[in-house]
Amino acid sequence: DSGVTQTPKHLITATGQRVTLRCSPRSGDLSVYWYQQSLDQGLQFLIQYYNGEERAKGNILERFSAQQFPDLHSELNLSSLELGDSALYFCASSLTSGGKSDYEQYFGPGTRLTVT
Amino acid sequence: GQSLEQPSEVTAVEGAIVQINCTYQTSGFYGLSWYQQHDGGAPTFLSYNALDGLEETGRFSSFLSRSDSYGYLLLQELQMKDSASYFCAVNRDDKIIFGKGTRLHILP
Repeated sequence: DSGVTQTPKHLITATGQRVTLRCSPRSGDLSVYWYQQSLDQGLQFLIQYYNGEERAKGNILERFSAQQFPDLHSELNLSSLELGDSALYFCASSLTSGGKSDYEQYFGPGTRLTVT
Repeated sequence: GQSLEQPSEVTAVEGAIVQINCTYQTSGFYGLSWYQQHDGGAPTFLSYNALDGLEETGRFSSFLSRSDSYGYLLLQELQMKDSASYFCAVNRDDKIIFGKGTRLHILP
């Protein structure tokens, strides 16, 4: 158990809908990262937040957005969902940001999103 | 471009040693890390090389050579539970880039 929690575990929704994925980092960790994992694309970095502020952006679509709240939990919002958005979404956390901290991340169990 | 290349699959025998390579075409990163992911599970952090050379953690060792744009993960005394996918990763311009992973099959 990494100490990172994600809810829900599974989500099935229809195209065009909007969903929110939630993540609570390990106690004491200030950075939260979001990843998308699909069979053909591997593990893709979406976005990072550090202590409430957006720090880095990866291959995140404009239909997706995220935020980190004062209690450090984070939410990833996916809207206008398409079939191709079906994937595993992981949240990870690390102690701070930059240097070794970005390399030593602790992953949550993931949310499996199925868009029908 | 920025990419990390790993073999897609490697097969080894229980008790043996296996090396998983990672080559990259990116520069300006701080180090190389390795993650393990079992089927249906989440990636788990294995090791991090900030400097060139070998880092050892139990049965696992990781090596980095920035001049050769190359790193590897070495797994010794293979056990069946080591059957998993292994990913190398770098941080480039604050973006975390993962390789596509190497699936390790272990034969009894």
